[in-house]
Amino acid sequence: KAGVTQTPRYLIKTRGQQVTLSCSPISGHRSVSWYQQTPGQGLQFLFEYFSETQRNKGNFPGRFSGRQFSNSRSEMNVSTLELGDSALYLCASSLDSPDDTQYFGPGTRLTVL
Amino acid sequence: QKEVEQNSGPLSVPEGAIASLNCTYSDRGSQSFFWYRQYSGKSPELIMSIYSNGDKEDGRFTAQLNKASQYVSLLIRDSQPSDSATYLCAVSGDSNYQLIWGAGTKLIIKP
Repeated sequence: KAGVTQTPRYLIKTRGQQVTLSCSPISGHRSVSWYQQTPGQGLQFLFEYFSETQRNKGNFPGRFSGRQFSNSRSEMNVSTLELGDSALYLCASSLDSPDDTQYFGPGTRLTVL
Repeated sequence: QKEVEQNSGPLSVPEGAIASLNCTYSDRGSQSFFWYRQYSGKSPELIMSIYSNGDKEDGRFTAQLNKASQYVSLLIRDSQPSDSATYLCAVSGDSNYQLIWGAGTKLIIKP
């Protein structure tokens, strides 16, 4: 079974731009969670989607948004990029809930200049 | 505020010895507990999940859960240099569709 895929793997943007990251979960997984990880920091929870609905959201500004499609694929968007948004963005999928085992994609490394 | 605490390390262990990693959590309602390993620049990968009090063994890895004391630990026997990584502890929240993550313990296995 194919794992979680994320595209693109690397991205360089400038301040003020916006970016869209994509995540395809493992086949049959309906829950998708997004995390931000900066050097030396743990995983910071962004949001979780299930069946096209956002069930939970972390403490991030409204510039961070996401959505999930009917095939469980998910996207996250960051508008008006700031230098501090430079990070590794990770997507994790699980069967029905984050309480099930989460499997991570390789991540998208975003650099904001 | 639900929290998961881990010693950030680094924890230095000689090759062949037992590495012991600990994690405490604040939410008594937590039911699912996970240990992940993350190599530098890579994404986390699951080592083990545990749901019941006691020990769970998988190869060189043993997870221990004590819900009364609210801690979960990971033992790595016969530590190898390839075990050098950051180990993340994650705990289920109270049905709020979110895992609570510790900041991770950096483990260094010295040859």
